Amino acid sequence: DARVTQTPRHKVTEMGQEVTMRCQPILGHNTVFWYRQTMMQGLELLAYFRNRAPLDDSGMPKDRFSAEMPDATLATLKIQPSEPRDSAVYFCASGLSGGDTEAFFGQGTRLTVV
Amino acid sequence: KQEVTQIPAALSVPEGENLVLNCSFTDSAIYNLQWFRQDPGKGLTSLLLIQSSQREQTSGRLNASLDKSSGRSTLYIAASQPGDSATYLCAVRIQGAQKLVFGQGTRLTINP
Repeated sequence: DARVTQTPRHKVTEMGQEVTMRCQPILGHNTVFWYRQTMMQGLELLAYFRNRAPLDDSGMPKDRFSAEMPDATLATLKIQPSEPRDSAVYFCASGLSGGDTEAFFGQGTRLTVV
Repeated sequence: KQEVTQIPAALSVPEGENLVLNCSFTDSAIYNLQWFRQDPGKGLTSLLLIQSSQREQTSGRLNASLDKSSGRSTLYIAASQPGDSATYLCAVRIQGAQKLVFGQGTRLTINP
């Protein structure tokens, strides 16, 4: 059963600490999206990769957020230093390139920064 | 800039009713539109994908339509059940950038 896997599922951390979230896309998928979901803003795109190259990270606060794909089976989203306003659910999604394809989402990482 | 709107924000209906959820978008330059379901504290489950060249897609009791020229999509749920209670999100994949732009969702409650 192919699925997008995100770890950890939950993370509570203190303000100022570094947070790393991981995503394993579905095998064979070459596009990866990172989204953040909050009650106020809904789902916002943070970053988008195709064939491991970042195509769009305009939604990401550059001073504290970074996203990478060290290899085709792993995407990471890092926050350093974390702040209480970063508390949200972070979703990873993967798919095939080409506009007519479907996006599949992971279960998300619920981040709480205290 | 593509904007996606879903109306209503919340909907509560008795079990057994047929219902329609609405989604509108401002820019018709899209590849496709996808409807998702999200249960509380869970991820997004894809329900239906409609390509820009298609008018509708069906899966079981769900039927989604797309009118690209008017920037509208509807999700029709037949014979609603309490298990259909969830938040329903629509998202369009915009041409060029290929990213998904989401609406704010409709929170649906089906009362037994």
